[in-house]
Amino acid sequence: QKEVEQDPGPLSVPEGAIVSLNCTYSNSAFQYFMWYRQYSRKGPELLMYTYSSGNKEDGRFTAQVDKSSKYISLFIRDSQPSDSATYLCAMRNSSASKIIFGSGTRLSIRP
Amino acid sequence: EAGVVQSPRYKIIEKKQPVAFWCNPISGHNTLYWYLQNLGQGPELLIRYENEEAVDDSQLPKDRFSAERLKGVDSTLKIQPAELGDSAVYLCASSLGDEQYFGPGTRLTVT
Repeated sequence: QKEVEQDPGPLSVPEGAIVSLNCTYSNSAFQYFMWYRQYSRKGPELLMYTYSSGNKEDGRFTAQVDKSSKYISLFIRDSQPSDSATYLCAMRNSSASKIIFGSGTRLSIRP
Repeated sequence: EAGVVQSPRYKIIEKKQPVAFWCNPISGHNTLYWYLQNLGQGPELLIRYENEEAVDDSQLPKDRFSAERLKGVDSTLKIQPAELGDSAVYLCASSLGDEQYFGPGTRLTVT
């Protein structure tokens, strides 16, 4: 079993919809949680960075962490065609810099 | 400010041939990472440098892979000899603090 599980999709939603992306993990030592966006033939770009449990909002993006369930989510409000990309969750523990990535969810926003 | 620069962007070689990838991190970033990303997967760390020192190379297949960062700035990742299974995208990233900035990657195809 992988340390971080992420549904690969693809996920296709109409423009303006709310998108929910999720990951589960098995290592209870993870303390830092990230979401990266990766466009085709580009490197990953950090979207959200959270510590421990709770919510963090940045514009149309909201990241949620539920450590008791080992479950993290990224919500995208008012989705735009430019949001079409692969979204990677990632996490690390408190003492190491090594990040463990999920396999990514491919998202497509239909105009 | 320029981002992480990688070259070449694409490389096609025959199996058993050597290949080298080059990375120039963001100016001032003392930490440099090399990742491997297979199709449909998240990046996996190969090696991490703090300045010139390789502080985490546990995932680097040392029988055929080597890396160097001689002056603590740019870095080279080499594969010799390449195998069919090495076909993937090789990503370089750099950081000064917690956030890692990724380059566009080198897409390697081994035939």
